[in-house]
Amino acid sequence: DGGITQSPKYLFRKEGQNVTLSCEQNLNHDAMYWYRQDPGQGLRLIYYSQIVNDFQKGDIAEGYSVSREKKESFPLTVTSAQKNPTAFYLCASSMGGLAGDTQYFGPGTRLTVL
Amino acid sequence: AQSVTQLGSHVSVSEGALVLLRCNYSSSVPPYLFWYVQYPNQGLQLLLKYTSAATLVKGINGFEAEFKKSETSFHLTKPSAHMSDAAEYFCAVSEFGGGADGLTFGKGTHLIIQP
Repeated sequence: DGGITQSPKYLFRKEGQNVTLSCEQNLNHDAMYWYRQDPGQGLRLIYYSQIVNDFQKGDIAEGYSVSREKKESFPLTVTSAQKNPTAFYLCASSMGGLAGDTQYFGPGTRLTVL
Repeated sequence: AQSVTQLGSHVSVSEGALVLLRCNYSSSVPPYLFWYVQYPNQGLQLLLKYTSAATLVKGINGFEAEFKKSETSFHLTKPSAHMSDAAEYFCAVSEFGGGADGLTFGKGTHLIIQP
């Protein structure tokens, strides 16, 4: 089955720790995205990548970092610099990264800071 | 800059009644418009999208949406609500000619179905 997987489903972090969220896709898509979802806020773009070894900041990149070493993988690190990291994180991918391309979403990771 | 406004954070309808979820957009160029559905603790699933081929777009699960340029709207409708339609619905926009910098989402509408 083709799709996007995210792991873990639930993640707990102590303040001051960095954590990495995994996102893998087997759709052979070029573009990948990370969004943050907070209640009543919709989704906000953190980072996106159109090709391997290249990525761009989105609207709320502060306190986050990413890498794109392989086409199918786009991990997100939530650093200790992120002031309020508790949220639902969604990874998505699209075929070519063009404006009209459909984005397909993974099941999400819920991060809670203790 | 593009933006999306979804009117009503919560909408409640009776089972079997018409569903109408409102979406207005702001875009300086021809937009691409999307409706996604999200069930609790899950990712988003595409319902339908507008890409200028036809103003009335049919999607999955009996939903459809009509693009009205004069009203800058893309409202989502379903003739008869089912209990399984209870979920969060998001309208999103991206601009023709824009880069792969993601979709701009509305804040979502929570659809409640009354038995």
